[in-house]
Amino acid sequence: GAVVSQHPSWVICKSGTSVKIECRSLDFQATTMFWYRQFPKQSLMLMATSNEGSKATYEQGVEKDKFLINHASLTLSTLTVTSAHPEDSSFYICSAPGTSGGYEQYFGPGTRLTVT
Amino acid sequence: AQSVTQPDIHITVSEGASLELRCNYSYGATPYLFWYVQSPGQGLQLLLKYFSGDTLVQGIKGFEAEFKRSQSSFNLRKPSVHWSDAAEYFCAGAILTGANNLFFGTGTRLTVIP
Repeated sequence: GAVVSQHPSWVICKSGTSVKIECRSLDFQATTMFWYRQFPKQSLMLMATSNEGSKATYEQGVEKDKFLINHASLTLSTLTVTSAHPEDSSFYICSAPGTSGGYEQYFGPGTRLTVT
Repeated sequence: AQSVTQPDIHITVSEGASLELRCNYSYGATPYLFWYVQSPGQGLQLLLKYFSGDTLVQGIKGFEAEFKRSQSSFNLRKPSVHWSDAAEYFCAGAILTGANNLFFGTGTRLTVIP
């Protein structure tokens, strides 16, 4: 149980285009999901908290107009990187809290974005 | 500020040797602490967690961790490392604001040599 999937697993896009990444909780519902960004050989940095039915909460320094988050249902959150630039190339990871009250999070396998 | 620190960027051990990965925390109160492992192509997997009670926590894959308040540490240990343990290990702490935010350390890459 508690499986989180992401799609696509990797994507290459041209500079100036937009890319959508999906995060799904497969066997549980998640009113909250988290989006992280991981640079090579670095830690995970929380970008935003996605809330079902309401606006996402962005961390300081994250451009909300560039990284659009939509939590359309209890099992799906999407991150859209708009007008992508090479500096947006990174590994994007989503997670969802478990439902047992244990405060752990379940992570998706990540999406590797390369902007050329 | 609340944070976790992993002082070792990269550790190499021989297969069958013991392992200890260090994690230090800085929190205003007793933190909730986790160890996750990240293997290539896979999502982060929870190894173990500490909330309260017994300070020696057993996890999956033969890992354990010990919470030491006096040292502000939560080090991960395994008595005998297997080649399949080669991965990136992250220590994390929880902020219990209702959103369950996690703060991650910078990670320790483990290399296992035969």
